[in-house]
Amino acid sequence: GAVVSQHPSWVICKSGTSVKIECRSLDFQATTMFWYRQFPKQSLMLMATSNEGSKATYEQGVEKDKFLINHASLTLSTLTVTSAHPEDSSFYICSASFANTGELFFGEGSRLTVL
Amino acid sequence: QQQVKQSPQSLIVQKGGISIINCAYENTAFDYFPWYQQFPGKGPALLIAIRPDVSEKKEGRFTISFNKSAKQFSLHIMDSQPGDSATYFCAARRGSNYKLTFGKGTLLTVNP
Repeated sequence: GAVVSQHPSWVICKSGTSVKIECRSLDFQATTMFWYRQFPKQSLMLMATSNEGSKATYEQGVEKDKFLINHASLTLSTLTVTSAHPEDSSFYICSASFANTGELFFGEGSRLTVL
Repeated sequence: QQQVKQSPQSLIVQKGGISIINCAYENTAFDYFPWYQQFPGKGPALLIAIRPDVSEKKEGRFTISFNKSAKQFSLHIMDSQPGDSATYFCAARRGSNYKLTFGKGTLLTVNP
């Protein structure tokens, strides 16, 4: 299957700092990428849909100023958690839509811990 | 409103047995039904997917059965192995760029 790379895989930061997570589709172009958040033993919660060259569409209840998403190219989307607080600690996962088949491939996830 | 209902929440199967996970959906506009496997600390991996024009799809030990009239689909894992122990998510989607709606997941444990 297609490969989606996420970096970093884990990050620890102090409260008040900003953290950027990258999501890259390595062997295909993705016009649409999705960002999810997952709490322990729970399902994936969609945060936003990111389309290349346009503003992200955020799900209800997700603060767009808190979670900045940029999709500057067909292979890269970034999620920046601004002024992170301990309650932002979570597992963040991106996915990319393979245009030819519509299949969705996920990154390995990024574990964020805010102290 | 939960659009995709998944059951059971957890499942314990002996090695060599058959694991069956069920999902039901509400939106008849869904046209793509994937199953994902997730190991702890990892992202979900696409396992197998089906579209509503077929009733069954098999890939190795994994089979999806799809019942359009009942709006249900299920994952069967034949000859279950301890390495299959993971969380499985069913999902549904409308169109190629629309978001996936996930079930709540099933934690499968295969005992040796």
